[in-house]
Amino acid sequence: QLVLTQSPSASASLGASVKLTCTLSTGHSNYAIAWHQQQPEKGPRSLMKVNSDGSYRKGDGIPDRFSGSSSGAERYLTISSLQSDDEADYYCQTWGPGHWVFGGGTKLTVL
Amino acid sequence: EVQLVESGGGSVQPGGSLRLSCAASGFTFSSYWMHWVRQVPGKGLVWVSYINKDGSRTDYADSVKGRFTASRDNGKSVVYLQMNSLRVDDTSIYYCASGDPTNWGQGTLVTVSS
Repeated sequence: QLVLTQSPSASASLGASVKLTCTLSTGHSNYAIAWHQQQPEKGPRSLMKVNSDGSYRKGDGIPDRFSGSSSGAERYLTISSLQSDDEADYYCQTWGPGHWVFGGGTKLTVL
Repeated sequence: EVQLVESGGGSVQPGGSLRLSCAASGFTFSSYWMHWVRQVPGKGLVWVSYINKDGSRTDYADSVKGRFTASRDNGKSVVYLQMNSLRVDDTSIYYCASGDPTNWGQGTLVTVSS
């Protein structure tokens, strides 16, 4: 079964970097994923698509501070030079046959 | 600029029906699958349904199968979600989404309560 696992929470200081992890279930380590950001009281916004080879493609207007990478079944979102408005929920999502699968989301707190 | 604008949400009693609409602009609507995703306020995102480019294929989450129906009008660039036999646990914000990278609408709130 295709499942995405994320840690429920993460925190980092203003100006620091943070790396969020999304883990694909066994047998699905070659899947690409997408990262979405949801700021408080707002709808989701797509950040990027991360492929199994570590390449990634960002959406229009996504700052250079956001980057993606991969290792095995893990897909990462790294945010550098953290700003206060990076405090948000971050969801990974992948593509099953005709449907989408979401991870449970990581709530990022900027200290 | 790509825009997805949902409408049709509101309050309904259990067992009732609602039809959500999502009006698209800024891209070639007929070239893209369209998805519906929902979110209980304060909880995570949950995929609900998709419809393919010409409307000939759809699929649904098990929790809504047999009660929800997606359709589209490519001439009007609108996708619909007909929701019947609504239950209290269908209460959510409903988003339409499409594209790669994904474009999201702003969401419309559906509240099912007696």
